[in-house]
Amino acid sequence: GESVGLHLPTLSVQEGDNSIINCAYSNSASDYFIWYKQESGKGPQFIIDIRSNMDKRQGQRVTVLLNKTVKHLSLQIAATQPGDSAVYFCAEKQTDSWGKFQFGAGTQVVVTP
Amino acid sequence: EPEVTQTPSHQVTQMGQEVILRCVPISNHLYFYWYRQILGQKVEFLVSFYNNEISEKSEIFDDQFSVERPDGSNFTLKIRSTKLEDSAMYFCASSSGTGNTIYFGEGSWLTVV
Repeated sequence: GESVGLHLPTLSVQEGDNSIINCAYSNSASDYFIWYKQESGKGPQFIIDIRSNMDKRQGQRVTVLLNKTVKHLSLQIAATQPGDSAVYFCAEKQTDSWGKFQFGAGTQVVVTP
Repeated sequence: EPEVTQTPSHQVTQMGQEVILRCVPISNHLYFYWYRQILGQKVEFLVSFYNNEISEKSEIFDDQFSVERPDGSNFTLKIRSTKLEDSAMYFCASSSGTGNTIYFGEGSWLTVV
């Protein structure tokens, strides 16, 4: 059933350290994945995406890894900064779906000085 | 950088009243979406829209909801008779293709009292 008020897992990271955020996705038919960052009171902000024909993709300070065998996605943030504090969501979609992304529950990242 | 804009940022309405939330998608995008996020919960897909018609909708998007592109720039979500459980942040999003990244607006916070 639906949960009322998700209790988000929290990742506490020291400034300058690397962060790893994990996501288990549900649909083996999903072939497009996005990581979004959401700051309090704001909309989801695109970070990086990956398609199922890849297992790794790098951006600026971020790397996404995809393991289709175990349906697992991870986001690595290098040299975490205070501005990285936010909730991070993974989102999955099938190619033939018209923008119907399924979002994960999210992980709260707290960067400490 | 082009962005999705939404109005109003916050609206309080009485139960049973009609509400229209407005969005201006990114100008060269052809695919439009509405998502919602109840406080403390996941981001949920409502509807996708292309070529002046709904292409996909979720079970949440019942007869009380409708979408429209009244002109060349705006995309609206109408809730005909609001219920308390419609209180949520509503996000508009757009993309250039069905297999592409979707970009979110900052959201319209709807409070039904």
